[in-house]
Amino acid sequence: EVQLVQSGAEVKKPGESLKISCKGSGYSFTSYWIGWVRQMPGKGLEWMGIIYPGDSDTRYSPSFQGQVTISADKSISTAYLQWSSLKASDTAMYYCVRHSSQHRVFDYWGQGTLVTVSS
Amino acid sequence: DIQMTQSPSSVSASVGDRVTITCRASQGISSWLAWYQQKPGKAPKLLIYAASSLQSGVPSRFSGSGSGTDFTLTISSLQPEDFATYYCQQANSFPAYTFGQGTKLEIK
Repeated sequence: EVQLVQSGAEVKKPGESLKISCKGSGYSFTSYWIGWVRQMPGKGLEWMGIIYPGDSDTRYSPSFQGQVTISADKSISTAYLQWSSLKASDTAMYYCVRHSSQHRVFDYWGQGTLVTVSS
Repeated sequence: DIQMTQSPSSVSASVGDRVTITCRASQGISSWLAWYQQKPGKAPKLLIYAASSLQSGVPSRFSGSGSGTDFTLTISSLQPEDFATYYCQQANSFPAYTFGQGTKLEIK
Protein backbone atom coordinates (compact mmCIF):
# COMPACT_ATOMS: atom_id res chain seq x y z
CA GLU A 1 0.00 0.00 0.00
CA VAL A 2 1.36 3.40 -1.02
CA GLN A 3 1.64 5.77 1.91
CA LEU A 4 3.02 9.24 2.46
CA VAL A 5 3.38 10.00 6.16
CA GLN A 6 4.16 13.55 7.15
CA SER A 7 5.70 14.97 10.31
CA GLY A 8 3.50 16.51 12.97
CA ALA A 9 2.07 19.98 13.46
CA GLU A 10 4.48 22.82 14.21
CA VAL A 11 4.08 26.13 16.04
CA LYS A 12 6.86 28.61 15.34
CA LYS A 13 7.69 32.30 15.78
CA PRO A 14 8.38 34.66 12.87
CA GLY A 15 12.01 34.49 11.82
CA GLU A 16 12.51 30.90 12.97
CA SER A 17 13.57 28.10 10.66
CA LEU A 18 11.65 24.89 10.03
CA LYS A 19 11.99 21.63 8.14
CA ILE A 20 9.01 19.31 7.72
CA SER A 21 9.17 15.79 6.32
CA CYS A 22 7.27 13.29 4.22
CA LYS A 23 8.16 9.59 4.29
CA GLY A 24 7.09 7.42 1.40
CA SER A 25 6.48 3.70 1.56
CA GLY A 26 4.87 0.94 -0.47
CA TYR A 27 6.47 1.95 -3.78
CA SER A 28 9.85 2.76 -5.33
CA PHE A 29 10.57 6.15 -3.75
CA THR A 30 13.26 7.03 -6.30
CA SER A 31 10.98 6.47 -9.30
CA TYR A 32 8.30 9.10 -8.64
CA TRP A 33 8.40 12.86 -8.28
CA ILE A 34 7.29 14.11 -4.85
CA GLY A 35 5.67 17.54 -4.64
CA TRP A 36 4.44 19.94 -1.99
CA VAL A 37 1.08 21.72 -2.00
CA ARG A 38 0.09 24.62 0.27
CA GLN A 39 -3.41 25.30 1.57
CA MET A 40 -3.79 28.50 3.53
CA PRO A 41 -6.63 28.65 6.09
CA GLY A 42 -9.98 28.51 4.29
CA LYS A 43 -8.32 28.76 0.89
CA GLY A 44 -7.54 26.62 -2.14
CA LEU A 45 -4.61 24.47 -3.24
CA GLU A 46 -1.30 25.88 -4.51
CA TRP A 47 1.50 23.80 -6.03
CA MET A 48 4.84 24.84 -4.49
CA GLY A 49 7.48 22.66 -6.01
CA ILE A 50 8.55 19.12 -6.79
CA ILE A 51 11.61 16.88 -6.52
CA TYR A 52 12.72 13.65 -8.17
CA PRO A 53 14.41 11.69 -5.37
CA GLY A 54 16.29 9.54 -7.86
CA ASP A 55 18.61 12.38 -8.87
CA SER A 56 17.36 15.31 -6.70
CA ASP A 57 16.18 17.28 -9.74
CA THR A 58 14.02 20.02 -8.16
CA ARG A 59 11.59 22.47 -9.70
CA TYR A 60 9.77 25.35 -8.00
CA SER A 61 6.64 27.32 -8.72
CA PRO A 62 7.68 30.92 -9.45
CA SER A 63 5.52 31.97 -6.49
CA PHE A 64 7.64 29.92 -4.10
CA GLN A 65 11.11 30.10 -5.70
CA GLY A 66 13.53 31.47 -3.12
CA GLN A 67 10.98 31.22 -0.32
CA VAL A 68 11.35 27.52 0.49
CA THR A 69 13.78 24.68 -0.17
CA ILE A 70 12.74 21.19 -1.19
CA SER A 71 15.09 18.26 -0.67
CA ALA A 72 15.03 14.50 -0.36
CA ASP A 73 17.04 11.72 1.26
CA LYS A 74 16.49 8.64 -0.84
CA SER A 75 18.29 6.43 1.67
CA ILE A 76 15.37 6.87 4.06
CA SER A 77 12.64 7.54 1.44
CA THR A 78 11.92 10.97 2.85
CA ALA A 79 11.28 14.34 1.24
CA TYR A 80 11.57 17.66 3.02
CA LEU A 81 10.22 21.19 2.83
CA GLN A 82 12.12 23.85 4.69
CA TRP A 83 12.08 27.55 5.51
CA SER A 84 15.03 29.60 6.71
CA SER A 85 12.97 32.46 8.13
CA LEU A 86 9.26 31.94 8.66
CA LYS A 87 6.64 34.64 8.27
CA ALA A 88 3.12 34.80 9.65
CA SER A 89 1.90 34.39 6.07
CA ASP A 90 3.48 30.90 5.98
CA THR A 91 0.73 29.70 8.32
CA ALA A 92 -0.97 26.93 6.35
CA MET A 93 -1.50 23.22 5.87
CA TYR A 94 1.22 21.65 3.75
CA TYR A 95 0.65 18.41 1.85
CA CYS A 96 3.22 16.22 0.20
CA VAL A 97 2.02 14.48 -2.92
CA ARG A 98 3.22 11.72 -5.22
CA HIS A 99 3.20 12.59 -8.89
CA SER A 100 2.11 10.04 -11.47
CA SER A 101 3.96 10.91 -14.66
CA GLN A 102 1.73 8.59 -16.68
CA HIS A 103 -1.43 10.48 -15.85
CA ARG A 104 0.10 13.80 -14.76
CA VAL A 105 -1.73 13.84 -11.43
CA PHE A 106 -1.02 13.82 -7.74
CA ASP A 107 -2.26 10.32 -7.07
CA TYR A 108 -1.32 9.97 -3.39
CA TRP A 109 -1.37 12.63 -0.71
CA GLY A 110 0.14 12.83 2.74
CA GLN A 111 -2.11 13.59 5.68
CA GLY A 112 -0.85 17.18 5.86
CA THR A 113 1.35 19.13 8.26
CA LEU A 114 -0.16 22.23 9.87
CA VAL A 115 2.39 25.01 10.30
CA THR A 116 1.39 27.92 12.53
CA VAL A 117 3.62 30.99 12.66
CA SER A 118 2.71 33.43 15.40
CA SER A 119 4.51 35.75 17.75
CA ASP B 1 0.72 30.57 -16.20
CA ILE B 2 -2.47 28.77 -17.10
CA GLN B 3 -5.38 29.99 -14.99
CA MET B 4 -8.20 27.65 -14.01
CA THR B 5 -11.66 29.05 -13.26
CA GLN B 6 -14.31 26.91 -11.63
CA SER B 7 -18.01 27.62 -11.50
CA PRO B 8 -19.98 27.87 -9.42
CA SER B 9 -17.90 28.68 -6.34
CA SER B 10 -20.55 26.98 -4.24
CA VAL B 11 -23.66 24.98 -4.90
CA SER B 12 -26.44 23.62 -2.71
CA ALA B 13 -28.07 20.35 -3.63
CA SER B 14 -30.03 17.48 -2.15
CA VAL B 15 -29.28 13.77 -1.87
CA GLY B 16 -30.20 12.15 -5.17
CA ASP B 17 -29.68 15.30 -7.24
CA ARG B 18 -27.50 15.47 -10.33
CA VAL B 19 -24.79 18.11 -10.03
CA THR B 20 -22.39 19.52 -12.59
CA ILE B 21 -19.29 21.61 -11.86
CA THR B 22 -17.45 23.44 -14.60
CA CYS B 23 -13.76 24.24 -15.00
CA ARG B 24 -12.35 26.52 -17.69
CA ALA B 25 -8.68 26.86 -18.62
CA SER B 26 -7.19 30.15 -19.81
CA GLN B 27 -5.62 28.29 -22.73
CA GLY B 28 -5.97 24.86 -24.30
CA ILE B 29 -4.75 21.97 -22.18
CA SER B 30 -5.84 19.02 -24.34
CA SER B 31 -7.21 16.45 -21.84
CA TRP B 32 -4.70 17.13 -19.08
CA LEU B 33 -7.30 17.82 -16.44
CA ALA B 34 -7.87 16.16 -13.07
CA TRP B 35 -10.53 16.49 -10.40
CA TYR B 36 -10.00 16.14 -6.65
CA GLN B 37 -12.41 15.92 -3.73
CA GLN B 38 -11.56 17.38 -0.33
CA LYS B 39 -13.60 16.81 2.80
CA PRO B 40 -13.15 19.07 5.85
CA GLY B 41 -9.96 18.33 7.74
CA LYS B 42 -8.80 15.78 5.19
CA ALA B 43 -6.29 15.68 2.35
CA PRO B 44 -7.65 15.94 -1.20
CA LYS B 45 -8.40 12.70 -3.02
CA LEU B 46 -7.96 12.10 -6.74
CA LEU B 47 -11.27 11.34 -8.48
CA ILE B 48 -10.66 11.73 -12.21
CA TYR B 49 -7.60 12.06 -14.43
CA ALA B 50 -7.13 12.76 -18.12
CA ALA B 51 -10.45 14.64 -18.06
CA SER B 52 -12.66 11.54 -18.06
CA SER B 53 -10.83 8.55 -16.55
CA LEU B 54 -12.08 7.37 -13.17
CA GLN B 55 -9.41 6.73 -10.55
CA SER B 56 -9.52 3.21 -9.14
CA GLY B 57 -12.04 2.85 -6.33
CA VAL B 58 -14.03 5.97 -7.18
CA PRO B 59 -17.78 5.35 -7.52
CA SER B 60 -19.19 5.36 -11.04
CA ARG B 61 -21.65 8.16 -10.19
CA PHE B 62 -18.68 10.49 -10.75
CA SER B 63 -17.83 11.31 -14.35
CA GLY B 64 -15.75 13.87 -16.17
CA SER B 65 -15.79 15.27 -19.68
CA GLY B 66 -14.26 17.93 -21.86
CA SER B 67 -11.10 18.83 -23.71
CA GLY B 68 -9.27 21.94 -24.75
CA THR B 69 -10.47 24.68 -22.40
CA ASP B 70 -13.83 23.54 -21.03
CA PHE B 71 -14.37 20.65 -18.64
CA THR B 72 -17.12 19.32 -16.40
CA LEU B 73 -17.41 17.07 -13.37
CA THR B 74 -20.80 15.44 -12.96
CA ILE B 75 -22.16 13.56 -9.96
CA SER B 76 -25.16 11.64 -11.24
CA SER B 77 -26.97 11.01 -7.95
CA LEU B 78 -25.60 12.78 -4.89
CA GLN B 79 -24.87 10.70 -1.83
CA PRO B 80 -24.39 12.10 1.69
CA GLU B 81 -20.65 11.42 1.54
CA ASP B 82 -20.26 13.55 -1.63
CA PHE B 83 -20.72 16.86 0.16
CA ALA B 84 -17.23 18.31 -0.03
CA THR B 85 -15.10 20.80 -1.95
CA TYR B 86 -14.02 19.90 -5.47
CA TYR B 87 -10.92 21.18 -7.27
CA CYS B 88 -9.85 20.90 -10.88
CA GLN B 89 -6.15 20.86 -11.76
CA GLN B 90 -4.49 21.35 -15.12
CA ALA B 91 -1.40 19.37 -16.03
CA ASN B 92 -0.60 20.70 -19.48
CA SER B 93 3.04 21.50 -18.80
CA PHE B 94 5.02 19.66 -16.14
CA PRO B 95 5.50 20.74 -13.44
CA ALA B 96 3.64 24.06 -13.66
CA TYR B 97 0.32 22.59 -12.59
CA THR B 98 -2.40 24.91 -11.32
CA PHE B 99 -5.63 24.31 -9.44
CA GLY B 100 -9.01 25.92 -9.76
CA GLN B 101 -10.25 27.92 -6.78
CA GLY B 102 -12.60 25.15 -5.67
CA THR B 103 -16.34 24.49 -5.63
CA LYS B 104 -18.02 23.83 -2.31
CA LEU B 105 -20.92 21.39 -2.58
CA GLU B 106 -23.32 21.86 0.32
CA ILE B 107 -26.45 20.13 1.48
CA LYS B 108 -29.68 21.97 0.64
